[in-house]
Amino acid sequence: SQQGEEDPQALSIQEGENATMNCSYKTSINNLQWYRQNSGRGLVHLILIRSNEREKHSGRLRVTLDTSKKSSSLLITASRAADTASYFCATVPVGGGKLIFGQGTELSVKP
Amino acid sequence: DGGITQSPKYLFRKEGQNVTLSCEQNLNHDAMYWYRQDPGQGLRLIYYSQIVNDFQKGDIAEGYSVSREKKESFPLTVTSAQKNPTAFYLCASSLGPSGANVLTFGAGSRLTVL
Repeated sequence: SQQGEEDPQALSIQEGENATMNCSYKTSINNLQWYRQNSGRGLVHLILIRSNEREKHSGRLRVTLDTSKKSSSLLITASRAADTASYFCATVPVGGGKLIFGQGTELSVKP
Repeated sequence: DGGITQSPKYLFRKEGQNVTLSCEQNLNHDAMYWYRQDPGQGLRLIYYSQIVNDFQKGDIAEGYSVSREKKESFPLTVTSAQKNPTAFYLCASSLGPSGANVLTFGAGSRLTVL
C-alpha cells in the first residue's frame, strides 16, 4: 500500500538552481524519511524528520514537515549535475511500524 | 567496509524456474527486508525479518519465499508461482524495526524472465 505521493513526478532544472520536491501522505506518522536513488542502484538515506519536528537541515538539503497538511518538502539548494537521481519519501505510520515508500520524483540537473 | 551485498547483479530466468537472490550484511543489523521496484514505481515490500528464524509477509509476498537462518543472511526465492517476476529487487537492513530506524540498501538485483 502506497502512502506517500511525491510531486512532481519529474523535475528538470539547470545547475545552480534550487530543486523542491513535495510529499503528501494519508495517515498520521511517527517519522518521515527521504531517500535518494541513482539510476539502477540502491537507495541511500538522506534525512529523517520526526513528527514533532518542523524543519531539518543537512548540508544543501532542507526538509520541512507540516503534519496538519500531511505533507513534507525536500529542498536541494544550488543543485549540481551529480544531484541527478530519483528522490523518495517514506513514512512510518503511527502504530504501523514499517516504512511505506512513495513513487518518487525523478530529478534531472543539467550542467 | 560495512554494508549489504546482493548477488547476482543481473539474473535471467526461464519461465517455470525458481531463482534465489542472495543478500548478505555485515552491519550487525537485526532487521532485513526485501523490496520489489518496477520501472517508474516506488518500492513495494515483499518480506521482512526482524530477528533470526522469524519473518513476516509484506504487501506482495505471493510467489516469493525467504529464510532467515543466520543474522547476516536473508535470501529471497522467486518461485514459478510469481506471475510477473521481471523487476529490480532491493534488499535492505536496519538496526531495529524500520519504524524507528533508517534503512541501508544493497545495490540491487535485476531479474529478467525470458
